[in-house]
Amino acid sequence: EVQLVESGGGLVQPGGSLRLSCASSGFTFSSYAMSWVRQAPGKGLEWVSALTGSGSTTYYTDSVKGRFTISRDNSKSTLYLQMNSLRAEDTAVYHCAKVRHGGDVFDIWGQGTMVTVSS
Amino acid sequence: AIQLTQSPSSLSASVGDRVTITCRASQGFSSALAWYQQKPGEAPKLLISHASNLESGVPSRFSGSGSGTDFTLTISSLQPEDFATYYCQQFNNYPLTFGGGTKVEIK
Repeated sequence: EVQLVESGGGLVQPGGSLRLSCASSGFTFSSYAMSWVRQAPGKGLEWVSALTGSGSTTYYTDSVKGRFTISRDNSKSTLYLQMNSLRAEDTAVYHCAKVRHGGDVFDIWGQGTMVTVSS
Repeated sequence: AIQLTQSPSSLSASVGDRVTITCRASQGFSSALAWYQQKPGEAPKLLISHASNLESGVPSRFSGSGSGTDFTLTISSLQPEDFATYYCQQFNNYPLTFGGGTKVEIK
């Protein structure tokens, strides 16, 4: 079964850091680009970042550039999101998502991990 | 960045109704548009890619169309399990963007 399981969320103060992880199973992880998508409470979906299968190319939405870093360990089939200088507006459920070949659509999603930025 | 505007933001409909949701892009592109369904407490589910390609296992009552700046998702006969929030997403270029969502509620 193809599966993505996120972890690492929690409560953090403004200016703090968190590292999210996304463990994958059921597919050849290194063959696929991966992405993070977040959803603030009661709000819509917002794409955050993406990373090619090799890890050589990264993409970020403007609001997280310079603060978040996406990475992957293909030997562990795991995706990461290092989040620094966190702000209240980063509060959201963070989903990792598998990117399908032939178009950057998200065909497999994890259930998400909640990040709350508050003092 | 390409902005996607969905309309309506919410709608009330009855089982059996035909429902149409529109997604308008701030700049045109060919067919790099997807539709997702999200139910409360669940992760989104991919319904349609490339504007009109129905995902395997998705009921045929769902269909997508459009190109350029105007895209539509149609549910031909609304079923109880279709009450959810629907999002469009463009993958023509980065940054990838989503529409604001359309919540389909029971009338």
